[in-house]
Amino acid sequence: RKEVEQDPGPFNVPEGATVAFNCTYSNSASQSFFWYRQDCRKEPKLLMSVYSSGNEDGRFTAQLNRASQYISLLIRDSKLSDSATYLCVVNSPRSGYSTLTFGKGTMLLVSP
Amino acid sequence: DTEVTQTPKHLVMGMTNKKSLKCEQHMGHRAMYWYKQKAKKPPELMFVYSYEKLSINESVPSRFSPECPNSSLLNLHLHALQPEDSALYLCASSQELRTAYEQYFGPGTRLTVT
Repeated sequence: RKEVEQDPGPFNVPEGATVAFNCTYSNSASQSFFWYRQDCRKEPKLLMSVYSSGNEDGRFTAQLNRASQYISLLIRDSKLSDSATYLCVVNSPRSGYSTLTFGKGTMLLVSP
Repeated sequence: DTEVTQTPKHLVMGMTNKKSLKCEQHMGHRAMYWYKQKAKKPPELMFVYSYEKLSINESVPSRFSPECPNSSLLNLHLHALQPEDSALYLCASSQELRTAYEQYFGPGTRLTVT
């Protein structure tokens, strides 16, 4: 099983639609979870951290299910500017330190 | 301010050239990272510095040589690269390495090896 798995997409949705991305991770010792957004030929940008209780930032809602090792991102009222690749990112604890493991990303295309 | 800067934005180099990529952050972060990203792939970790010491080398070929002159600066020295090394090179920083804090990325250097 890959460390972090995401739907490859692309997801094609009209403006105003609600879209959900799913992600699963294999390392049960992981403690920190993030969603990053990456525009074409740009750097990844932190969209939101994901907390156990779930968290919301405007149109974006992230959920974490530790028992199922599953993370989700919901985008409501999609805008054209939401078109990007969304990367699910999970920490990988090692001895004395922790690095981040990236999923392959899910591409979202929002059309008028 | 969560800004990480990188220079140059673009670099074209021959296989016999020597060049350097530069990265700078002023957030007081003590962990700095180099990643390599190929098209349609996620970033791949290359090196990590923690408190200016090299903590992680992900079995990167010796033609890539990292350097951390001080807590704000990170360099990547390139020598005798291969065409397959062409990629986007991303620098990132985070508060510390011990705990998985979020990482902030610079805009990257797009490298083409001819």
